[in-house]
Amino acid sequence: DTGVSQDPRHKITKRGQNVTFRCDPISEHNRLYWYRQTLGQGPEFLTYFQNEAQLEKSRLLSDRFSAERPKGSFSTLEIQRTEQGDSAMYLCASSSSGTNEQYFGPGTRLTVT
Amino acid sequence: QKEVEQNSGPLSVPEGAIASLNCTYSDRGSQSFFWYRQYSGKSPELIMFIYSNGDKEDGRFTAQLNKASQYVSLLIRDSQPSDSATYLCDATTGGFKTIFGAGTRLFVKA
Repeated sequence: DTGVSQDPRHKITKRGQNVTFRCDPISEHNRLYWYRQTLGQGPEFLTYFQNEAQLEKSRLLSDRFSAERPKGSFSTLEIQRTEQGDSAMYLCASSSSGTNEQYFGPGTRLTVT
Repeated sequence: QKEVEQNSGPLSVPEGAIASLNCTYSDRGSQSFFWYRQYSGKSPELIMFIYSNGDKEDGRFTAQLNKASQYVSLLIRDSQPSDSATYLCDATTGGFKTIFGAGTRLFVKA
């Protein structure tokens, strides 16, 4: 068990560019979550997968955000036409069905200039 | 708007004291409650979870849940400087609908 991994750890991009982040959950976990966290705030829920199905997406999430988990293993989060307000830490977490105990990856820190 | 509220702190306690962290939630449908510790610049780390009313102890940590009052707390006994961090409360409904509080910053003075 190597834990949840995320790539890249840091991303600096210019406003208007597209970015994609990857998350590899703990191998036996079938639930996967994406969150966004800004300074002084708790993680804000973005979306949730059970296996390859995206079961919930935050209404706060604009159409510029999309996430996939094509084979029920790793997941990607894409942000199109980035804005300065997208600057945040993007966290991925996984859990196994039957429990809601989430294990977080190290996060991807996005800076939009 | 379903919310989880925490006092942002900072809560300052001397080394060896008991730190008491509190959390209230608004969604009566919340079923599972979690406490995460987050060091500055790091991701949250699960430290306790509680599903039923009452107390749950794990080492120096005790989680308390009162669903009637919609209140969750975390007690840290024999606080150590290494416990200095932000503590996040999480209330989960229906298996995946999860809401985090903004966190309470704890400082343990040596």
